[in-house]
Amino acid sequence: AQTVTQSQPEMSVQEAETVTLSCTYDTSESDYYLFWYKQPPSRQMILVIRQEAYKQQNATENRFSVNFQKAAKSFSLKISDSQLGDAAMYFCAYRRAGGATNKLIFGTGTLLAVQP
Amino acid sequence: KAGVTQTPRYLIKTRGQQVTLSCSPISGHRSVSWYQQTPGQGLQFLFEYFSETQRNKGNFPGRFSGRQFSNSRSEMNVSTLELGDSALYLCASSLGSGNTEAFFGQGTRLTVV
Repeated sequence: AQTVTQSQPEMSVQEAETVTLSCTYDTSESDYYLFWYKQPPSRQMILVIRQEAYKQQNATENRFSVNFQKAAKSFSLKISDSQLGDAAMYFCAYRRAGGATNKLIFGTGTLLAVQP
Repeated sequence: KAGVTQTPRYLIKTRGQQVTLSCSPISGHRSVSWYQQTPGQGLQFLFEYFSETQRNKGNFPGRFSGRQFSNSRSEMNVSTLELGDSALYLCASSLGSGNTEAFFGQGTRLTVV
């Protein structure tokens, strides 16, 4: 069975600084997708960034980028130039590729605080 | 384009009662998944529907059930409510079969007293 682990329950960063959130996963499959979702106090899950396992190039979305290490099964999220609006719970998630399912497996989340 | 709509946003029920939650996916999306979010267990997958058929189910008791209608709207039902069913229930919609992005609704906060 696939599992996703986030070992940092809470993180804090100063506004305008950079922070990295960690995520490791376990799977025996070779093709899959990895995601970072943000859940602000409004509770709505918002997709931050997505990575296809078959792509070696790390995904980037504006101030958000990932460090995808397939062999190490590691998928960290880097937030650059942190803003107050980045404060939220961040979830790492895994999904099988190609199969007839959209089921996401989530980590336990990291609560990010941004200090002014 | 309207997002995923979940109703109601908040519910308070008594132990032993049953409850029905609704999810209207983004127009054109045929896949709907449900998740339960609690402080203790985190986000757990309940089930997934595609074109009115359940194609995946999580490890929840039979008190949890769902269905999907021909317009892709989905409902989930919990019978004989227990205190431990208190949670945020999230619905996610996707275009279709795998490899597509999931969009989430704002959830229904269920409190069982």
